[in-house]
Amino acid sequence: EIVLTQSPATLSLSPGERATLSCRASQSVSSYLAWYQQRRGQAPRLLIYDASKRATGIPARFSGSGSGTDFTLTISSLEPEDFVVYYCQQRSNWPLTFGGGTKVEIK
Amino acid sequence: EVQLLESGGGLVQPGGSLRLSCAASGFTFSSYAMSWVRQAPGKGLEWVSAISSGGGSTYYADSVKGRFTISRDSSKNTLYLHIDSLRAEDTAVYYCAKAGASSISYYDNWGQGILVTVSS
Repeated sequence: EIVLTQSPATLSLSPGERATLSCRASQSVSSYLAWYQQRRGQAPRLLIYDASKRATGIPARFSGSGSGTDFTLTISSLEPEDFVVYYCQQRSNWPLTFGGGTKVEIK
Repeated sequence: EVQLLESGGGLVQPGGSLRLSCAASGFTFSSYAMSWVRQAPGKGLEWVSAISSGGGSTYYADSVKGRFTISRDSSKNTLYLHIDSLRAEDTAVYYCAKAGASSISYYDNWGQGILVTVSS
């Protein structure tokens, strides 16, 4: 099973700042990595797939990069609604796995 | 507009059984793989099971293999998850999720989730 480790667990920033979230895979997943956003009490929303492609309707302030084992989700300028939880997910191998999540909180 | 509506959750005793349903609309159901993903209270996301677009291939997390059965009925545009031998650790919100054409995929649409509570 491919283990995805997200860091940091919590990121404390102010609106307008840049957020950099990390996801590290226990073995290469090529570019088969996605990022999701989950607001409290809601279902996850797909933000980024194949490491760097924005999903439909996702604002340009969200970007993804990386390949192999190291991936980054960047939010260029945090909006108030961005202070929620983010998960990465790999689709390289069964079983599909998610990272443990990063909570972005207001500093 | 894609809509996924889960039903069938609730309070179940340990060792009991349950069948979750997910009614799909707004897309060609038979063309897409589907999955169930769960989230225990206050915890992260856990992939549970997937089924191919035609229903001929199924996949399970080790934690549920042998107890959970995923199936689909394209005539009813409905995805199912039959759960046997429920354990306390199965307590979670269960999400139905639409995958891509491939079974091993990302999830671009999710239901609102249904809570399953396993407790005596």
